[in-house]
This record gives sequence, structure tokens and C-alpha cells, in this order.
Amino acid sequence: SQKIEQNSEALNIQEGKTATLTCNYTNYSPAYLQWYRQDPGRGPVFLLLIRENEKEKRKERLKVTFDTTLKQSLFHITASQPADSATYLCALTTLTGANNLFFGTGTRLTVIP
Amino acid sequence: GAVVSQHPSWVICKSGTSVKIECRSLDFQATTMFWYRQFPKQSLMLMATSNEGSKATYEQGVEKDKFLINHASLTLSTLTVTSAHPEDSSFYICSAKRVFNEQFFGPGTRLTVL
Repeated sequence: SQKIEQNSEALNIQEGKTATLTCNYTNYSPAYLQWYRQDPGRGPVFLLLIRENEKEKRKERLKVTFDTTLKQSLFHITASQPADSATYLCALTTLTGANNLFFGTGTRLTVIP
Repeated sequence: GAVVSQHPSWVICKSGTSVKIECRSLDFQATTMFWYRQFPKQSLMLMATSNEGSKATYEQGVEKDKFLINHASLTLSTLTVTSAHPEDSSFYICSAKRVFNEQFFGPGTRLTVL
């Protein structure tokens, strides 16, 4: 069966450290993988998109890697801040369902001051 | 840019009534809009894909007669939950597709059916 799993439901880290979130998928052939941030009671906010032929993407303090052999994406937030506390969702788009996003269950990140 | 709005942000209704939720792309034209549902502590589940001027495509298990979708223009899609029941209570989120495969999400609508 198809699955998108994010490593843990919740992750607590100390301010200033690097947060690393994991997204693993099974039985998908993604063309794109995206990461979103979702705050409570709000819709997801787009952060980064990485294509299947890209290994790494960066945007300010964010970095995403994509390993299609391992079927895994890692999402890093460096120099984390309490304002980074939120739920982070990975989502992928397959080659066949070009318009559809399939979401993981999310990881709730808490950055402790 | 790329702002998507939803209205209302929350609604409480009695069982058996119908509720309409609007999704608008404010500063871009979206040929495709999507409707998702999210239950507490769960991820977003795609309900349907809405293309301007054509009928919506519903995901398996989503009743098209219960969740009516209209995408009348490039900036507006509506979701009507007909004869709502308590089990329809959820957080409904729309998104609009712009370039590449980037989707921009609305802030969501919290529906509570009593």
C-alpha cells in the first residue's frame, strides 16, 4: 500500500540547534516533493519544492534533500527559533497524478527557548 | 503574491442544513483548485480537484452529491456541504495551483455541525 510517513509525530529541540525532520514514502514515484508549514487552525504554507532529479534545495535557514533511492526526504531548519514551532508536512506529487498532492501526517516541532 | 482566501473562517450549523464555503485566489488566476479535509491530528486528505468551467473530479469515497463543487471562474471555487451531519464536522481547506506544481492554500474553514 502507499504510505507517506514522517519520522515522528512530535520533535522538541533547543533554540539555536538544527531541526531535522524525515519523510519516507512507499509505493510512490514522486515527480516533486514539497514541504509545508501548518500552524494550528490555519492552512498549510508552502516552504520548498524539490524535483526528483534534484538532490538538495536551500532557502535561507531551510534545506531539503531528496533521495529517490532511499525514498526519503530530509528537511532541516538551522539556527532554530521558537517562531519555527509548528507542524511541518511533506507532500509529494506523482508522475501520473500531476495535479494531486499526497500529504504525510506531519511532525509537530517545538523549539524550546 | 499568491494569496488564497476562504470564507467563512468558521461556521456552526444544525444537522440537515447546507453550508457553502468559498475559496478565492486573490492575486492570480487558478485554473485548478483543490478541496481538502483535515480531521484533528490527521493530515490533509484530498476530496476533489476542481477545474474552471468543468466538473470536479472527486477522490474515491467522497460523495459528489454531498459535497457540491462549483468552479465558475478562474478565481473562485465553492464547496457546498449538503444536508450536513455531525460526522461532516471538520477543517476544510482549499488550495489553488499556480505555476509548476506549487499549490497555495487558504486559511481553512472550521465546520461544526450540531
